[in-house]
Amino acid sequence: DTGVSQDPRHKITKRGQNVTFRCDPISEHNRLYWYRQTLGQGPEFLTYFQNEAQLEKSRLLSDRFSAERPKGSFSTLEIQRTEQGDSAMYLCASNPGQLNEQFFGPGTRLTVL
Amino acid sequence: AQSVSQHNHHVILSEAASLELGCNYSYGGTVNLFWYVQYPGQHLQLLLKYFSGDPLVKGIKGFEAEFIKSKFSFNLRKPSVQWSDTAEYFCARGSGTYKYIFGTGTRLKVLA
Repeated sequence: DTGVSQDPRHKITKRGQNVTFRCDPISEHNRLYWYRQTLGQGPEFLTYFQNEAQLEKSRLLSDRFSAERPKGSFSTLEIQRTEQGDSAMYLCASNPGQLNEQFFGPGTRLTVL
Repeated sequence: AQSVSQHNHHVILSEAASLELGCNYSYGGTVNLFWYVQYPGQHLQLLLKYFSGDPLVKGIKGFEAEFIKSKFSFNLRKPSVQWSDTAEYFCARGSGTYKYIFGTGTRLKVLA
């Protein structure tokens, strides 16, 4: 399968713990995006990378959130000191350029108890 | 701020009925528009996209959408739905040069 992959698919954690999610974009896609989706809502933009450079972060991304894409390939999204309000589906997407549609991964569903 | 509105949150249709899902986008900026579908348990998949040119866009699985600039609309249509079209449908617009802004989605249930 050459699509966008995300790991893990599900994560249950206790409030206050740190969690890290991984996204592997489609090979050679230089643009990578993270979104968050809560129940009854559409995906909301979190952050965007072009190669290894993080070019934009949403105000939704509090100081507890950090994302990296160290070599311009896979990306990680870390949430420190998780809160119940962080429970959501975290989606990753990639594309090769501005005028191309984004390809989405299956998401990581986070549940914070 | 740019936005996308989907006014139909839940739609129930019988098989063979015609479908039209509304999508309105806010004024301003480059208009790149998309419809994505999410089948139960699956990831978001692109149905169709509009960047420029012919305002009537054909997508996969018999779906089409019409870009009407004067109405700021990009409604999704299908002449005859099937049970397998049961899914959640999201309208989105490209914002600036990269990120997408999504609507809240429409849950479609097709009764066999």
